[in-house]
Amino acid sequence: NAGVTQTPKFQVLKTGQSMTLQCAQDMNHEYMSWYRQDPGMGLRLIHYSVGAGITDQGEVPNGYNVSRSTTEDFPLRLLSAAPSQTSVYFCASSDRSAGAKNIQYFGAGTRLSVL
Amino acid sequence: LAKTTQPISMDSYEGQEVNITCSHNNIATNDYITWYQQFPSQGPRFIIQGYKTKVTNEVASLFIPADRKSSTLSLPRVSLSDTAVYYCLVGDFRDPTAGNKLTFGGGTRVLVKP
Repeated sequence: NAGVTQTPKFQVLKTGQSMTLQCAQDMNHEYMSWYRQDPGMGLRLIHYSVGAGITDQGEVPNGYNVSRSTTEDFPLRLLSAAPSQTSVYFCASSDRSAGAKNIQYFGAGTRLSVL
Repeated sequence: LAKTTQPISMDSYEGQEVNITCSHNNIATNDYITWYQQFPSQGPRFIIQGYKTKVTNEVASLFIPADRKSSTLSLPRVSLSDTAVYYCLVGDFRDPTAGNKLTFGGGTRVLVKP
């Protein structure tokens, strides 16, 4: 059981470049989310999805797009990378079904540097 | 989502019990209290969740007083490998509209010394 898989693990971009961070889960969870974590800080919610075809903004959505075409995948797109987006990005999923504890399962993270 | 307040950091020694208190004065009736642990360079990992009184698992205990305005995570006999950041989250996670409020605060940085 792989859980939540994020790719790539590391990425260096130049200012203005675009890229997609991949996230996939094999637990059939409806809820998925993206967080960013800056050095010494907590996690801040970027976007989340409560099911295929449904996404919504979190605390810091500017500069990022998401889509959810399948239950398994939830990619995060950086439209035009900026140095302020240098961070570690975590994807998470959770089971929101009745009786579930709604525990969030996190991927290993993607470390992004924007030069 | 209820705002939470935790100490920024705590130091302890191997073999001691570590207690981290989280304040959540405006907790709602349907809210649960959940704690996560994060090691350096890893994503957070679920530790324990509770609604009231006491919950215990193989890793930790969670104490919640009757008014539920605070909770205490207890880590018994810590080892060096328990050095991590611990986050307290409060919310009705069954509510899909709570998704945009599921934010982690700064957490408590626990350092276990030999």
